[in-house]
Amino acid sequence: DAMVIQNPRYQVTQFGKPVTLSCSQTLNHNVMYWYQQKSSQAPKLLFHYYDKDFNNEADTPDNFQSRRPNTSFCFLDIRSPGLGDAAMYLCATSNLVGRRQETQYFGPGTRLLVL
Amino acid sequence: AQKVTQAQTEISVVEKEDVTLDCVYETRDTTYYLFWYKQPPSGELVFLIRRNSFDEQNEISGRYSWNFQKSTSSFNFTITASQVVDSAVYFCALRRSDAGGTSYGKLTFGQGTILTVHP
Repeated sequence: DAMVIQNPRYQVTQFGKPVTLSCSQTLNHNVMYWYQQKSSQAPKLLFHYYDKDFNNEADTPDNFQSRRPNTSFCFLDIRSPGLGDAAMYLCATSNLVGRRQETQYFGPGTRLLVL
Repeated sequence: AQKVTQAQTEISVVEKEDVTLDCVYETRDTTYYLFWYKQPPSGELVFLIRRNSFDEQNEISGRYSWNFQKSTSSFNFTITASQVVDSAVYFCALRRSDAGGTSYGKLTFGQGTILTVHP
């Protein structure tokens, strides 16, 4: 089945220790998104890629970076995680066809714990 | 600016009851999309429905139904004969319809409604 996969599902890291979260997709979608969702809150968009074009949200901290080496994979790098970065990180994909933006489909998320 | 309001923070019902989740939105766009997503305890956001702003027909899918009223800027979601497996957080979301740039794909989420269905 075509899907969005996130690894690992749970990640524990230490304060200040760099961590990378992974997302892959078999949908062949050209847009990939990273959202941060803190407890009891709505998902908050961090950034997205349209093919190789990176689009950062204005309020995304510099501590968060992303890489998209190919269509299928996208990584979220947190350079120096703080306690406030503990959250669920959701990857989503969609397709932009001409001017039409199709529905976003989400992966299962990676729950990050910072000790 | 776009905004989605889900006034009900938490709803608790007993199995087999009907339950309606409210969603009110604000946008200056004349065309847009509305969505409902379900987030079970496992965390994944599951897509339920997408509705174009120019299509005001109500939709039914099994026990789920959606009532879109442009005049009141509402897109309410009803679960008929609720089941324990319906327990989840439900998010309503809004998106601009023109994809002139990929930023148009950005979803504006409501704060979510926690639905608990008791046996």
